[in-house]
Amino acid sequence: GENVEQHPSTLSVQEGDSAVIKCTYSDSASNYFPWYKQELGKGPQLIIDIRSNVGEKKDQRIAVTLNKTAKHFSLHITETQPEDSAVYFCAASRPSNTGKLIFGQGTTLQVKP
Amino acid sequence: DSGVTQTPKHLITATGQRVTLRCSPRSGDLSVYWYQQSLDQGLQFLIQYYNGEERAKGNILERFSAQQFPDLHSELNLSSLELGDSALYFCASSVGGTGYQPQHFGDGTRLSIL
Repeated sequence: GENVEQHPSTLSVQEGDSAVIKCTYSDSASNYFPWYKQELGKGPQLIIDIRSNVGEKKDQRIAVTLNKTAKHFSLHITETQPEDSAVYFCAASRPSNTGKLIFGQGTTLQVKP
Repeated sequence: DSGVTQTPKHLITATGQRVTLRCSPRSGDLSVYWYQQSLDQGLQFLIQYYNGEERAKGNILERFSAQQFPDLHSELNLSSLELGDSALYFCASSVGGTGYQPQHFGDGTRLSIL
């Protein structure tokens, strides 16, 4: 069935360092991969997304890479700041007449000042 | 602010009861999704509506039902509540109803069953 595995479950970095979160999906038909940031008491906030016809996408300090052959995609955050501390979720969806998202289990990122 | 409004923010009730969670999508969005977030199951898709019609069903219990009204707001009804139904319930909306559509989430309703 559809499944998205996310690693690591927790990640602690020093301010200014880079952080990388990795996800692997099982459904080879998946073609849309969003990343969400969830702060305490808030809903998931879309921070970046990528479609399967693109290998990499960047938005300021955030980038996502996609390897369709390996069914693997990653979130890269450079020059981390304390306000980047949150739970990050990857997700995947397949081309269909629905927008159903399958989420990874989440990564708790802590950026130490 | 995502533009998606969920009410109430918190709900405390007892086993066996019935509750209704409400969601107003972003202006212009036709699709509404419901997700359940629990510690052991993560974020799980429940159901999707597009322009008033059910579009997709996920792992939604028979005790749960939803609908989307002509003004596009949606309600999730949970009945015969059990302790295990305690969770955060999120609503998301998107412009269209298919893949590739960015979904924007509300801040959720925290449901506690005593």
